[in-house]
Amino acid sequence: GENVEQHPSTLSVQEGDSAVIKCTYSDSASNYFPWYKQELGKGPQLIIDIRSNVGEKKDQRIAVTLNKTAKHFSLHITETQPEDSAVYFCAASFGRVTASKLTFGTGTRLQVTL
Amino acid sequence: EAGVVQSPRYKIIEKKQPVAFWCNPISGHNTLYWYRQNLGQGPELLIRYENEEAVDDSQLPKDRFSAERLKGVDSTLKIQPAELGDSAVYLCASSNWDTSNEQFFGPGTRLTVL
Repeated sequence: GENVEQHPSTLSVQEGDSAVIKCTYSDSASNYFPWYKQELGKGPQLIIDIRSNVGEKKDQRIAVTLNKTAKHFSLHITETQPEDSAVYFCAASFGRVTASKLTFGTGTRLQVTL
Repeated sequence: EAGVVQSPRYKIIEKKQPVAFWCNPISGHNTLYWYRQNLGQGPELLIRYENEEAVDDSQLPKDRFSAERLKGVDSTLKIQPAELGDSAVYLCASSNWDTSNEQFFGPGTRLTVL
């Protein structure tokens, strides 16, 4: 089955700096790669996603890049703010229904300090 | 629109006792997922329903876990008997793959088995 590795496990940045989180996946058939943000006591919330036919996607301060050849994808957050502090999960899925079975990474705890 | 509703939010039981979790998905969502999230880990899929049908329960420990989704709406996940290792957050998510890949998560039920 699919295996997703995520690094780093913790990341501390100063407000205004950029943060980068990286993930690798094992199954070349995976075709959908979402990123979720999880705040304390809440369920994960989708912040951005990318399909295998796209190399990069951007939404305001958040961007995701995908390298299918190397089987890795990354989340980039620019101009970080204290409210960006949370745990971020990458995920990968494949199948007829692209979000049918998500395999999650182990998470990155991002702390944005003042 | 209302999000995914789960109850209870917290549950503490002694080992060997039964426990049940309830989920009400977003109205109109045809797909419902149950995940287990261990401390410091990403969510892991237990079972996925498309309408009333369980289409992927390969990760559900069927000796003690059971689930149902009556009338293709609400769902209940049951553990009987609970073991110490079942302590985790149980997340419910829903989606409508006719229109979107996004899975919407509920806040989860934190289970502690003593």
